[in-house]
Amino acid sequence: NAGVTQTPKFQVLKTGQSMTLQCAQDMNHNSMYWYRQDPGMGLRLIYYSASEGTTDKGEVPNGYNVSRLNKREFSLRLESAAPSQTSVYFCASSDGNGEQFFGPGTRLTVL
Amino acid sequence: EDQVTQSPEALRLQEGESSSLNCSYTVSGLRGLFWYRQDPGKGPEFLFTLYSAGEEKEKERLKATLTKKESFLHITAPKPEDSATYLCAVRTSSNTGKLIFGQGTTLQVKP
Repeated sequence: NAGVTQTPKFQVLKTGQSMTLQCAQDMNHNSMYWYRQDPGMGLRLIYYSASEGTTDKGEVPNGYNVSRLNKREFSLRLESAAPSQTSVYFCASSDGNGEQFFGPGTRLTVL
Repeated sequence: EDQVTQSPEALRLQEGESSSLNCSYTVSGLRGLFWYRQDPGKGPEFLFTLYSAGEEKEKERLKATLTKKESFLHITAPKPEDSATYLCAVRTSSNTGKLIFGQGTTLQVKP
């Protein structure tokens, strides 16, 4: 089992460009999550999906959109990237009641 | 407001020097407290879940304990490979699908 996979691992964007971060899990989990991690700020929830077909905002959703493509895949889209979105992005999944399992992260720099 | 605070922010130990990391929480109703380990450049890795006061879990040199207001991660005779950032998170009755993370404690163990 690969667990949670994320692509790309690294990305550099210019201000105003768009991109989609991809996440997939093979653990048959219902719930999936997108976090960002910044120095001194800890992990902050951007969006989550409790089950296929549903999505909800987390703590810091502004500037992002998500799509729960199917049970396995949950993507995060930046429509018009800003320097404030420079961060490390983590995807996670869980069965809803237990621990969350994290992917390796995407390191995004917006110039 | 649900809140999680970890202390200290950083901890330096000599190999073999035991110590404890603290995670204090103020939540409306605890539905689980989670400990994760995060190595530089990687995603958080699940360690333990604790559900009720008095509960303890152990794994190698790590032992996690829980009271009604805080959790401790005890590290006994640490080795350099225990160096990492340790994250604490809680699930609450008002947000059962989500985790609230603390800022983390960065542990460095010197040989």
